[in-house]
Amino acid sequence: AQSVSQHNHHVILSEAASLELGCNYSYGGTVNLFWYVQYPGQHLQLLLKYFSGDPLVKGIKGFEAEFIKSKFSFNLRKPSVQWSDTAEYFCAVNAPRDDKIIFGKGTRLHILP
Amino acid sequence: DAGVTQSPTHLIKTRGQQVTLRCSPKSGHDTVSWYQQALGQGPQFIFQYYEEEERQRGNFPDRFSGHQFPNYSSELNVNALLLGDSALYLCASSLRGITEAFFGQGTRLTVV
Repeated sequence: AQSVSQHNHHVILSEAASLELGCNYSYGGTVNLFWYVQYPGQHLQLLLKYFSGDPLVKGIKGFEAEFIKSKFSFNLRKPSVQWSDTAEYFCAVNAPRDDKIIFGKGTRLHILP
Repeated sequence: DAGVTQSPTHLIKTRGQQVTLRCSPKSGHDTVSWYQQALGQGPQFIFQYYEEEERQRGNFPDRFSGHQFPNYSSELNVNALLLGDSALYLCASSLRGITEAFFGQGTRLTVV
């Protein structure tokens, strides 16, 4: 069965610090990978996605993620965080032609001004 | 262009009761999925509807049922509510064959 593991449940950073959120997935075949973000009081939004091609994916708001197939990982990065990045971040995976998306438990990111 | 809308936003029910949650998909989308997000957890897939039929189901009991209407809107029904059903219920819409899903703000269900 597919599963997603996010390494950090809660991360606290100061503004301008660099960010890396870890994500590993368990699935033997081809996968689609996602990072979703949920800002306080808002709905889940897609931050970026990987389906195929260049393993370095750029998303909105300066975020990027790198797919490393050999490590089953899809870590999220941002070189310099802002206070407005305070949110909960979810890594997710789905198999092509499968309807369900499997989510990790989420990482709460708190940026200190 | 309206996104995914869900109603109601909050709901309080008593154990044993039944509840119906509603979802209108994003304009142009024909597929609706429902997820349950318990406190401190990521969303868990309940089921997906396309062409008014349940296409895939997650690991949820038969107490959870759904429906999709000809206008693509959908309902999630939960019977015989348990305290453990307390959660945020998310609706996601997509276009069949396209994996990217758009989520609504959810319905917060509290069972007392």
